[in-house]
Amino acid sequence: DAGVTQSPTHLIKTRGQQVTLRCSPISGHKSVSWYQQVLGQGPQFIFQYYEKEERGRGNFPDRFSARQFPNYSSELNVNALLLGDSALYLCASSLGAATFFGQGTRLTVV
Amino acid sequence: QQQVKQSPQSLIVQKGGISIINCAYENTAFDYFPWYQQFPGKGPALLIAIRPDVSEKKEGRFTISFNKSAKQFSLHIMDSQPGDSATYFCAASTGSWGKLQFGAGTQVVVTP
Repeated sequence: DAGVTQSPTHLIKTRGQQVTLRCSPISGHKSVSWYQQVLGQGPQFIFQYYEKEERGRGNFPDRFSARQFPNYSSELNVNALLLGDSALYLCASSLGAATFFGQGTRLTVV
Repeated sequence: QQQVKQSPQSLIVQKGGISIINCAYENTAFDYFPWYQQFPGKGPALLIAIRPDVSEKKEGRFTISFNKSAKQFSLHIMDSQPGDSATYFCAASTGSWGKLQFGAGTQVVVTP
């Protein structure tokens, strides 16, 4: 079975630009969540979606948005990129409490 | 504020030794406590998890010990191997779909 897949794996953007990250959950998992991991720190929760509805939102500005599609895949959008948005963005899918992460998208803002 | 506090920040252990990582939490509503292993450039991989109605859970060389009254839990890696060298994160969540609150991580280095 395929795990959580994310694309792209690496991305370089300029300050002020917008970025879209994509995620496909494990087959059968209806819950998708997004985390930001800054180098040397633990992942920080951004969003959780279940059955296309937002079920939770972390302490991130409105520049961050997400959505979940009918096939349970998800997109994370970040507008007006700042240097501080440079991080590893992790998508996770959950079945009950068990949460499984993808390999992440490394975003570098220059 | 950090809801899950993890220590030590790093540790070095010889091959065959025991690695011990500790975590403490404040929110008594937490009811699921997983541990993740992360290698450089990769996403965290779920290692083992425990619920507060169990005091210990063992899977292979990995054991979680849970002390509900002290609001602490720990990961023991027995017979540590060089391939165990990674960063380990404890986490906690509430309910079936709760967001995970992560500790700051422990970098483990296993020397040959």
